[in-house]
Amino acid sequence: AQSVSQHNHHVILSEAASLELGCNYSYGGTVNLFWYVQYPGQHLQLLLKYFSGDPLVKGIKGFEAEFIKSKFSFNLRKPSVQWSDTAEYFCAVTSYNQGGKLIFGQGTELSVKP
Amino acid sequence: DARVTQTPRHKVTEMGQEVTMRCQPILGHNTVFWYRQTMMQGLELLAYFRNRAPLDDSGMPKDRFSAEMPDATLATLKIQPSEPRDSAVYFCASGFHGLAGAETQYFGPGTRLLVL
Repeated sequence: AQSVSQHNHHVILSEAASLELGCNYSYGGTVNLFWYVQYPGQHLQLLLKYFSGDPLVKGIKGFEAEFIKSKFSFNLRKPSVQWSDTAEYFCAVTSYNQGGKLIFGQGTELSVKP
Repeated sequence: DARVTQTPRHKVTEMGQEVTMRCQPILGHNTVFWYRQTMMQGLELLAYFRNRAPLDDSGMPKDRFSAEMPDATLATLKIQPSEPRDSAVYFCASGFHGLAGAETQYFGPGTRLLVL
C-alpha cells in the first residue's frame, strides 16, 4: 500500500531562516504530489502541487518543492521563513489507480520564532 | 472565489444524539471526500463519492456513520448514535476527476464536533 513519510514532526526556526521539510513516498508508479498547509484552527490550503513537467514546483507564499523521482521525495523549501508561516504542513500523494484518494503524511508542525 | 462550504462549523452534543454534517462542494466538482482529523490519528479518509456514487467508505465505522450525496450540491455525513470518541474536526473536500486522472482537492473549513 502507498504510504507517505514526513521525517520531521516538529521544526522550530527563527525568522529569516531557511526551511526544508522532508517528504518521501512509497509508490513506484506515476504519482501526483501535493503540499498543504494548515494554519492554527483553520482548514487545509493547497500550497503547491506536482502533476508532470518541471520537477521544481513553485507555490504560493514563496514556497517551492522539488520532485526527485529516484529518491521518491518531494521536499518543501522556503529560503526565508516568516512568523506567519507557523502552521502544520502536510505532504500528500495520489496516483491514478488510487481513484483520486490522497494519502497524507503525518504532518510537520513548524514554529517560527519572531 | 469558489469554496467548499460546511455546516455547522461547530457542534456540541451529548452522547447518543444524532449528528448531521453538511458539505457543499465547489460547483462543477465531481468528487467529494470526507476526512476526520484528530490529534492522535491525524487526517483519516472516511469516505468519498464520485458523480454522487460512493466509491470507498472503508475508513468509516459502518455501524454508526453514514455518508450520502442527495444531489450534486450536497454531501452529508451522519453519526447515529454519537460517542465521545467521535469528537474531532470533520473536513469535506471536493475536486474534479477527469480523463487525465489527476485532481486537486480543495478543503472546506471543517465541522468541529464535540460529543460529551
